[in-house]
Amino acid sequence: DSGVTQTPKHLITATGQRVTLRCSPRSGDLSVYWYQQSLDQGLQFLIHYYNGEERAKGNILERFSAQQFPDLHSELNLSSLELGDSALYFCASSVGHQNTEAFFGQGTRLTVV
Amino acid sequence: DAKTTQPNSMESNEEEPVHLPCNHSTISGTDYIHWYRQLPSQGPEYVIHGLTSNVNNRMASLAIAEDRKSSTLILHRATLRDAAVYYCILRDGGSNSGYALNFGKGTSLLVTP
Repeated sequence: DSGVTQTPKHLITATGQRVTLRCSPRSGDLSVYWYQQSLDQGLQFLIHYYNGEERAKGNILERFSAQQFPDLHSELNLSSLELGDSALYFCASSVGHQNTEAFFGQGTRLTVV
Repeated sequence: DAKTTQPNSMESNEEEPVHLPCNHSTISGTDYIHWYRQLPSQGPEYVIHGLTSNVNNRMASLAIAEDRKSSTLILHRATLRDAAVYYCILRDGGSNSGYALNFGKGTSLLVTP
């Protein structure tokens, strides 16, 4: 158990819909990272938040957004969903924003039908 | 971030040592070498990281070439539980962009009884 909690574990939704994925980082970790893993693209970095502020963006679509709340949990919002958004979405946390070890959650499997 | 090259797959017998190679010929002086692994149906898991000297922890050893253009992850006695995809990732220690890891394809390790 990494200490990072992601909910829900599975999500099935229709095209065009909007969903919210939730991540609770390990106690004391200020950084939260979101990754997308699809079969053809591998693990792709989406976005990084540190203590409530956005720090870095990766290959995140404009239809996707995220935020980190004062209690440090984070949400990833995916809207106008397409079939190609079906993937595993992982959240990771680390203590700081420099070169420290990151801990990953078990992921949310999103299926868009 | 500089690129890494790993074999697509490797096979090992249980209870034998495994040496997983990684080439990173364009590594810069501030790049740390990180290894993560991903077991089936789980999130990535930190294994080890280093800068110049060889490193050991309870999971594995990391041997870094003197010119730092390559490294080897060593599992001293492979178990069935070590079957996973192993990722070698370079991370700029001087970067302020957090832990935005660039996962490549990794090496899929098969461990046979």
